[in-house]
Amino acid sequence: AQSVTQLGSHVSVSEGALVLLRCNYSSSVPPYLFWYVQYPNQGLQLLLKYTSAATLVKGINGFEAEFKKSETSFHLTKPSAHMSDAAEYFCAVSSGGTSYGKLTFGQGTILTVHP
Amino acid sequence: DADVTQTPRNRITKTGKRIMLECSQTKGHDRMYWYRQDPGLGLRLIYYSFDVKDINKGEISDGYSVSRQAQAKFSLSLESAIPNQTALYFCATSDVGEGGYTFGSGTRLTVV
Repeated sequence: AQSVTQLGSHVSVSEGALVLLRCNYSSSVPPYLFWYVQYPNQGLQLLLKYTSAATLVKGINGFEAEFKKSETSFHLTKPSAHMSDAAEYFCAVSSGGTSYGKLTFGQGTILTVHP
Repeated sequence: DADVTQTPRNRITKTGKRIMLECSQTKGHDRMYWYRQDPGLGLRLIYYSFDVKDINKGEISDGYSVSRQAQAKFSLSLESAIPNQTALYFCATSDVGEGGYTFGSGTRLTVV
């Protein structure tokens, strides 16, 4: 079985501040991990993914995430928030094997950016 | 045109009515999925299909059915809609080995 927990349903930061969105996963096999972003009235867009290569993954719009197996974490960061980063962010896990390709999503974190 | 197209974008229907949500894709992907999104619950998998002859239930399939008419088309039906099926529904596709989804823009369904 696989599962994802996103810590904090709402995160608020000031423009220019560090963004940190937390994600912990559970998987019985080595996981593939993903971050998606959803802007209002749109579908989900892939930000970045970890597929067992480098543990520090760089994505679009200046976001990056680090896979830490010992902590079962895959936290999303961005050094300096921009107003356009305001959206909902989802962490997801795929555990491979017969379920490879089937993603389990976290509950989502709404990011608010203040001027 | 979008890679994954969902129709309709918005729909209001009455309790007990049958409704179909349609999804078509131009990605050429074999794998297709239906999820529903509810505030605070994230996305939950309803059904998925790894090829035209393969249909699998997800974690919340009760009250739903699907049809994979072709590689490019995957429809979701609510046989008898009820108010707690009010949600945002997403179709997604993926390729073998790619490990990531391409999402449609969603269908906002309201059951009154």
